[in-house]
Amino acid sequence: GAVVSQHPSRVICKSGTSVKIECRSLDFQATTMFWYRQFPKKSLMLMATSNEGSKATYEQGVEKDKFLINHASLTLSTLTVTSAHPEDSSFYICSAVGLAGRSEQYFGPGTRLTVT
Amino acid sequence: DAKTTQPTSMDCAEGRAANLPCNHSTISGNEYVYWYRQIHSQGPQYIIHGLKNNETNEMASLIITEDRKSSTLILPHATLRDTAVYYCIVRVGGNTPLVFGKGTRLSVIA
Repeated sequence: GAVVSQHPSRVICKSGTSVKIECRSLDFQATTMFWYRQFPKKSLMLMATSNEGSKATYEQGVEKDKFLINHASLTLSTLTVTSAHPEDSSFYICSAVGLAGRSEQYFGPGTRLTVT
Repeated sequence: DAKTTQPTSMDCAEGRAANLPCNHSTISGNEYVYWYRQIHSQGPQYIIHGLKNNETNEMASLIITEDRKSSTLILPHATLRDTAVYYCIVRVGGNTPLVFGKGTRLSVIA
């Protein structure tokens, strides 16, 4: 299957600081990437849809000014958690859909964010 | 909201077939059935998907009923590494997102 990477895999930051998470499709070009959040023992929750070259579409209840998403190229999307608070601590996962009519989504390994 | 219903948990003996059921009675004609799994603290892994015909790949088989209201994922010879949460998802395809329900926690027991 296609490979999606995320960086960093784990990050610890202090309250009030910002953290950037990168999502890269390594062997295919992704027109669309998705960002999910997962709390312990819960299922994945879709946060936003990111299309290359356009503004992200956020799910209801997700603050766009707090979770900044940039999809600058067909292989890279970034999620920046601004002014992080302890309640933002979670597992953040991205996924990507490729160009050539393939409908499978491929997921990154996830980023564990801990805000102290 | 997820459009599928799955049992919360299942156990399977190592080496035996694991049969994971999924109900999707409100599935639309243009929606596919996708299966993903998530091993603890990792990103979900694609397993298989189908529209109406049964499908098989190196990981699993997918059996879809003729009325498409339910399906079964079959892992033919379960191993301990198959212990994970398995998600059944209906989706149109293309650039639409996957919407995850609670899934089935499969425990493979030695």
